[in-house]
Amino acid sequence: KQEVTQIPAALSVPEGENLVLNCSFTDSAIYNLQWFRQDPGKGLTSLLLIQSSQREQTSGRLNASLDKSSGRSTLYIAASQPGDSATYLCAVSTGGSQGNLIFGKGTKLSVKP
Amino acid sequence: DTEVTQTPKHLVMGMTNKKSLKCEQHMGHRAMYWYKQKAKKPPELMFVYSYEKLSINESVPSRFSPECPNSSLLNLHLHALQPEDSALYLCASSRITGNYGYTFGSGTRLTVV
Repeated sequence: KQEVTQIPAALSVPEGENLVLNCSFTDSAIYNLQWFRQDPGKGLTSLLLIQSSQREQTSGRLNASLDKSSGRSTLYIAASQPGDSATYLCAVSTGGSQGNLIFGKGTKLSVKP
Repeated sequence: DTEVTQTPKHLVMGMTNKKSLKCEQHMGHRAMYWYKQKAKKPPELMFVYSYEKLSINESVPSRFSPECPNSSLLNLHLHALQPEDSALYLCASSRITGNYGYTFGSGTRLTVV
């Protein structure tokens, strides 16, 4: 059974720091991996989607990497800002039938001014 | 249009009420999903519709009744809910073929009193 783990559960950093959020999964047979951001009480905003054949994706200050063989992904945030404060969720899709998006429990990020 | 729209944003209902949640997308996605999210937890899959047909029901109680009237709309009918059903209800959509990501709506915050 696929399990997704995110470390750390919470992170507090001063503004301007570069930071890394970690995601690991137990079964390397994934279709893709998606990073989401969730603000308190709000829906999920997709940040980056990495296909299983890709190694990384970049969007602005965000860079996500994928090492399928070792079951790891990292989300790198450059020059963090207070507006980056949110919960970041990693989710893997194992393909095949729909409804197989498996989430980690998230990392709650707080960026202090 | 790259959004999933959910209405209402907030809903308070009594345990004897009947209400409905609505979800709409115009991205041509043929898979639509309902997720339930409790505080500080990741989203949990409830239902999956594929080509307007219910394909997955994750053992959800019958007081939750999904409906997919057409390829753009997804409803969740609520009846005789319990206080423990209070949660954020998220709708998502995705393509079915190809290597797809999920697009989530902003959610409906449901409170059962």
